[in-house]
Amino acid sequence: QKEVEQDPGPLSVPEGAIVSLNCTYSNSAFQYFMWYRQYSRKGPELLMYTYSSGNKEDGRFTAQVDKSSKYISLFIRDSQPSDSATYLCAMSEGGTASKLTFGTGTRLQVTL
Amino acid sequence: EAGVAQSPRYKIIEKRQSVAFWCNPISGHATLYWYQQILGQGPKLLIQFQNNGVVDDSQLPKDRFSAERLKGVDSTLKIQPAKLEDSAVYLCASTWGPLVRGYTFGSGTRLTVV
Repeated sequence: QKEVEQDPGPLSVPEGAIVSLNCTYSNSAFQYFMWYRQYSRKGPELLMYTYSSGNKEDGRFTAQVDKSSKYISLFIRDSQPSDSATYLCAMSEGGTASKLTFGTGTRLQVTL
Repeated sequence: EAGVAQSPRYKIIEKRQSVAFWCNPISGHATLYWYQQILGQGPKLLIQFQNNGVVDDSQLPKDRFSAERLKGVDSTLKIQPAKLEDSAVYLCASTWGPLVRGYTFGSGTRLTVV
């Protein structure tokens, strides 16, 4: 079993839709939870960062962490064609050796 | 603020050849990471440097991969000899400290081994 599981998609939605992306994980030591967006032939770009459980909102993006269920989500409201990209969840135990453990990524296509 | 610079952007080599990648992190960032991203997968950490010391290289295939960070700034990652399964994007990232916040990735070097 992988430490972080993520549905690879692809996920196709019409412009303006609400998008829900999810990851599950098995390592209870993870404390930092992130969502990265990766456009084709580019490096990952940090979208949302959450420490421990709870919700965080930034514009059209909302990140949720439920540590009791080992489940994290990213919601995108009013999706735009420019949101078309691969979305990677990433997690870390924190501390000095702050490596990130990534999901496989979900490819999102927002159509006109 | 300039981003993380990587070169070359693309590289095609034959198996058993050697190859090197270069990374220049954001100025002042003490922590530097090399990740490997195989097509259809998430990035996987190869090595983490804190200044010019290695913090974590547990997933670096040391029989063929090596990395160094001289003077705590630029870093090079080398593969010798390359195998077909090394075909991937090699991403460099940096951050000002050990915290995960502010983790900035470069655009990566796409390696194809034929």
